[in-house]
Amino acid sequence: GENVEQHPSTLSVQEGDSAVIKCTYSDSASNYFPWYKQELGKRPQLIIDIRSNVGEKKDQRIAVTLNKTAKHFSLHITETQPEDSAVYFCAASINQGAQKLVFGQGTRLTINP
Amino acid sequence: ETGVTQSPTHLIKTRGQQVTLRCSSQSGHNTVSWYQQALGQGPQFIFQYYREEENGRGNFPPRFSGLQFPNYSSELNVNALELDDSALYLCASSLVPVPDYGYTFGSGTRLTVV
Repeated sequence: GENVEQHPSTLSVQEGDSAVIKCTYSDSASNYFPWYKQELGKRPQLIIDIRSNVGEKKDQRIAVTLNKTAKHFSLHITETQPEDSAVYFCAASINQGAQKLVFGQGTRLTINP
Repeated sequence: ETGVTQSPTHLIKTRGQQVTLRCSSQSGHNTVSWYQQALGQGPQFIFQYYREEENGRGNFPPRFSGLQFPNYSSELNVNALELDDSALYLCASSLVPVPDYGYTFGSGTRLTVV
């Protein structure tokens, strides 16, 4: 079946510290794993993604790691800033007739000044 | 380059009514995917339209239907509304019918069924 589990559901960190959000997926055929940031009342915005042929990808303060054997991937945010506060969603691509994304339940990240 | 626009932004409907939501895809994108996002949940795939044809469907009943026009804009129709249909409805356009090349999400339509 298709399922993406995301943890934790809420995360509170001090400004300047690191934040880590973890996801596991069930479909071994999934090959694309994006992360979205959604601020209150706004659209989800892609912040970073990784494909199954890569183990790690970094973009400034944001990094994603993928362990295909264990079927889990993680988002790492370093040197957190107040504007990082938002809900973050992981997703995995599934091919069931159409190529679609299956999303995790989301993590509400709060950065405390 | 224009982004993805959705209309209306908010609406309230009564149980049993019908609703039509609209999505204008980003310039150059021929694929529109619709997602339902219940409060506190991640988006769930409803269906996808590619070059005016339905290209796949999630676990939603037939009262959820759609349409894509020659300019690649799209509509989502929901008949016989139920209270559980209350959610944020997101459309995402893409260059091709695979998410790997990046979805551009609209801001969504918040539907409340009373």
